[in-house]
Amino acid sequence: GQQVMQIPQYQHVQEGEDFTTYCNSSTTLSNIQWYKQRPGGHPVFLIQLVKSGEVKKQKRLTFQFGEAKKNSSLHITATQTTDVGTYFCAGLKGNTNAGKSTFGDGTTLTVKP
Amino acid sequence: NAGVMQNPRHLVRRRGQEARLRCSPMKGHSHVYWYRQLPEEGLKFMVYLQKENIIDESGMPKERFSAEFPKEGPSILRIQQVVRGDSAAYFCASSPLGTLGTEAFFGQGTRLTVV
Repeated sequence: GQQVMQIPQYQHVQEGEDFTTYCNSSTTLSNIQWYKQRPGGHPVFLIQLVKSGEVKKQKRLTFQFGEAKKNSSLHITATQTTDVGTYFCAGLKGNTNAGKSTFGDGTTLTVKP
Repeated sequence: NAGVMQNPRHLVRRRGQEARLRCSPMKGHSHVYWYRQLPEEGLKFMVYLQKENIIDESGMPKERFSAEFPKEGPSILRIQQVVRGDSAAYFCASSPLGTLGTEAFFGQGTRLTVV
């Protein structure tokens, strides 16, 4: 079945440093979504990428979708302590509904002030 | 418009007891999904339901687990004869009818502890 791999599993940074997490799918995706989960919280939707090579920005966050639509990345510039949490990518294959996504295992970000 | 409501937030059960987890989707959403999250791990899809129908239960263990989404009332995830390995956070998500590729809205989860 479809697999979605995320690396790294953990990332510790000093406040102000940049952070990147990578997501790779074994199959071509119709779209990819990114979620953030704070410690003890629930996943919260960040963004969806649909087009090949798409790049979207949200303030300090930059999201990319690969040309082959099999990989994606999330980059945070100048991390802040509020960025702490686990970032999940969720890949959708084919003509399926949103919730039937395959989630990666997440990258847990800790930020040292 | 209230979000996805899950209850209870925390549930403690002894081995062998039954656990019932409830999920009320967002207003206007008729697609419900259940995910399980073990500590330090990602979300694993369990089951996808629409009103009165199980659409996809490929992620749900064949034994002891069942799910329903009746015409009236919340979706229920039921775990019979719980074991320690069932301890996890169970998240419910919902999405609108007939909308493909949109975000899934997650509830705050039920954290099940089996003692």
